[in-house]
Amino acid sequence: DSGVTQTPKHLITATGQRVTLRCSPRSGDLSVYWYQQSLDQGLQFLIQYYNGEERAKGNILERFSAQQFPDLHSELNLSSLELGDSALYFCASSSQLAGVGEQYFGPGTRLTVT
Amino acid sequence: AQSVTQPDIHITVSEGASLELRCNYSYGATPYLFWYVQSPGQGLQLLLKYFSGDTLVQGIKGFEAEFKRSQSSFNLRKPSVHWSDAAEYFCAVAGFGNEKLTFGTGTRLTIIP
Repeated sequence: DSGVTQTPKHLITATGQRVTLRCSPRSGDLSVYWYQQSLDQGLQFLIQYYNGEERAKGNILERFSAQQFPDLHSELNLSSLELGDSALYFCASSSQLAGVGEQYFGPGTRLTVT
Repeated sequence: AQSVTQPDIHITVSEGASLELRCNYSYGATPYLFWYVQSPGQGLQLLLKYFSGDTLVQGIKGFEAEFKRSQSSFNLRKPSVHWSDAAEYFCAVAGFGNEKLTFGTGTRLTIIP
């Protein structure tokens, strides 16, 4: 158990809909990262937050957005969903900002868009 | 731009045999290198990491990896695999001030009795 929790575990929704994925980092970790894992794109970095502020952005679509709240949990919002958004979405947390820290991954949310 | 290549998509080894999974990276500065393992239906677990210093690093579950700057490689090894090692293995790279992980495409390891 990494200490990172993600809800829900599974999500099935229709095209055009909007969903919210939730992540709670390990106790004390200020950095939260979101990754997408799909068969065709592999594991891709989406976005990073550090203590409530956006820190880095990767291959995140404009239809996707994220935020980190004062209690450090994070949410990834996916809107106008398309079939191609079906994937496993991972959240990871890390305790270091200066330098590179180890990242601890949650179990993921499997999103299926029908 | 940073990138990672894992040339082997799928490897099959016998239980008790040795293992080497290959990883080549591209990064403009000093890389921070990682190996993660993903069991079916699970999240990713960090096996080991290289930041600096000794180029041979030890990890959990009996794994080790060797950093070779001249070859831009960070291969993962285990002297004797167990059936429980069957999983997908990902090599990843990050950098100082750039903490996002860039992953390779993964190597799926199958263990046969």
